[in-house]
Amino acid sequence: QVELVQSGTEVKKIGASVKVSCRASGYDFIDYYIHWVRQAPGQGLEWIGRIHPDSGVTQYSPRFRGRVTMSRDLSVTTAFLEMTSLRSDDTAVFFCARWGERLLPPYETSSSQFDFWGQGTLVTVSS
Amino acid sequence: NFILTQPLSVSESPGKTVNISCTRTNGSIDTKYVQWYQQRPGNSPTTVIFQDYRRPSGVPDRFSVAIDGSSNSAFLIISGLEAEDEADYYCQSFDTDTQVFGGGTKLTVL
Repeated sequence: QVELVQSGTEVKKIGASVKVSCRASGYDFIDYYIHWVRQAPGQGLEWIGRIHPDSGVTQYSPRFRGRVTMSRDLSVTTAFLEMTSLRSDDTAVFFCARWGERLLPPYETSSSQFDFWGQGTLVTVSS
Repeated sequence: NFILTQPLSVSESPGKTVNISCTRTNGSIDTKYVQWYQQRPGNSPTTVIFQDYRRPSGVPDRFSVAIDGSSNSAFLIISGLEAEDEADYYCQSFDTDTQVFGGGTKLTVL
């Protein structure tokens, strides 16, 4: 079965960096984009960006461009999100999610949706 | 880029029907698929509707969607409300390289 398992809770100081991981299993890792989504306490979902696992090509939301880097390690089918220059308002739960459109055939099982999500990683930023 | 606007909250009694709107600003609502996610406190979101109208297996047919081009909106319709439907609901759509979520609607089942 498909699973996305994220790394654990992080507590960081203002100005520090954090790197969150998302280990995928149960499917061919290169077949689907991995996206990252942020949710501040009591707030809504905010798209951060995505990575093409095969090529490593990324697209970022303009809001986060320059402060986030997405990467992946094919050998361990894991995607990473690194955020730098952390501020107190970066305190949030970060989710990885698989976008269900297949990048390779067969396309019959494609679906336009975030079909699987990680459990979320809480990142707390404080002084 | 575009924005998806949802009401902050809606409430209704068990057994009734509730509509949650998702209005697109910039571009037509039917340009790209709209998805709807349910999120209960402390949990990751799960899909209740994808590709405008489709329900994942396991989602009851009490969940449906209407799309209105004149208001440039999609509406999540939940009929026969049950206590377990109480959650936050998010619409989501996309453009070429961008994904956008609505701000989310808190559904309270009175």
